[in-house]
Amino acid sequence: QKEVEQDPGPLSVPEGAIVSLNCTYSNSAFQYFMWYRQYSRKGPELLMYTYSSGNKEDGRFTAQVDKSSKYISLFIRDSQPSDSATYLCAMSAVRSGGYNKLIFGAGTRLAVHP
Amino acid sequence: DAGVTQSPTHLIKTRGQQVTLRCSPISGHKSVSWYQQVLGQGPQFIFQYYEKEERGRGNFPDRFSARQFPNYSSELNVNALLLGDSALYLCASNSDTDNSYEQYFGPGTRLTVT
Repeated sequence: QKEVEQDPGPLSVPEGAIVSLNCTYSNSAFQYFMWYRQYSRKGPELLMYTYSSGNKEDGRFTAQVDKSSKYISLFIRDSQPSDSATYLCAMSAVRSGGYNKLIFGAGTRLAVHP
Repeated sequence: DAGVTQSPTHLIKTRGQQVTLRCSPISGHKSVSWYQQVLGQGPQFIFQYYEKEERGRGNFPDRFSARQFPNYSSELNVNALLLGDSALYLCASNSDTDNSYEQYFGPGTRLTVT
C-alpha cells in the first residue's frame, strides 16, 4: 500500500465549476500537507501549505485536512481553463535532524473546458 | 527574486553513461532536495542536503550520488545509466528554519536514456 493515494483522473469540468481534489494517507506521523500545481513538462508550483488539521483559504483555493480520517482536500472555486494542470498532494512528517522529505501522491490531471 | 534554477533543461544519454545535473537554490535557502519524477507519477525523494551535509536519502541505488557546495548549489550524479532512469529530475529548496517545511521546485531536467 502506498503511503499517499491520489486518484489520477483525468477530471474534466466546465469553466466556473467547483473542483474537489483529494488524497488519503496511511502514515499518522504526517503533520504538514501541501498542494502543488504542475503544468505539462514544468516543475511543481506550491499552491497551499497546511499544518495539522483544519482549513486554509487563499483566493479561489481552499485546503482542508482531516487527520482523524487521514484525508486531505483541495477545492477550487470558479475554475478557469488556466487551472488545467496536474495537482499533486504532498506530505511530510515532523522534521528529524533537519530532514523533511516530501511524500507525493501520483497527481490528479484536471482539465477545465470553456 | 530568481527561483530555483536547474541545468541543463534536457539531456539525452545512452545506457551505461554518467550524467551530472545542477541546481541553484533560491537566494537565502540553505537546504536542497532532489526528486525523480517518472512520467505519470508523483516525484520521489532522492536526497536532501543542508550545509554540504547529507540529511536524508531515499530508496535509490548507490549509482545515485549528490553533493552541495559552499554557495548551497548542488549536483546530482547518476552513474551507469539505465533505461529506467529516464525521468524529470527536480531540485527543491527550502529555508530550513524550524517552521519552514515548504519546498520550492525548479523547472527540472528531463533526462532521456536510450
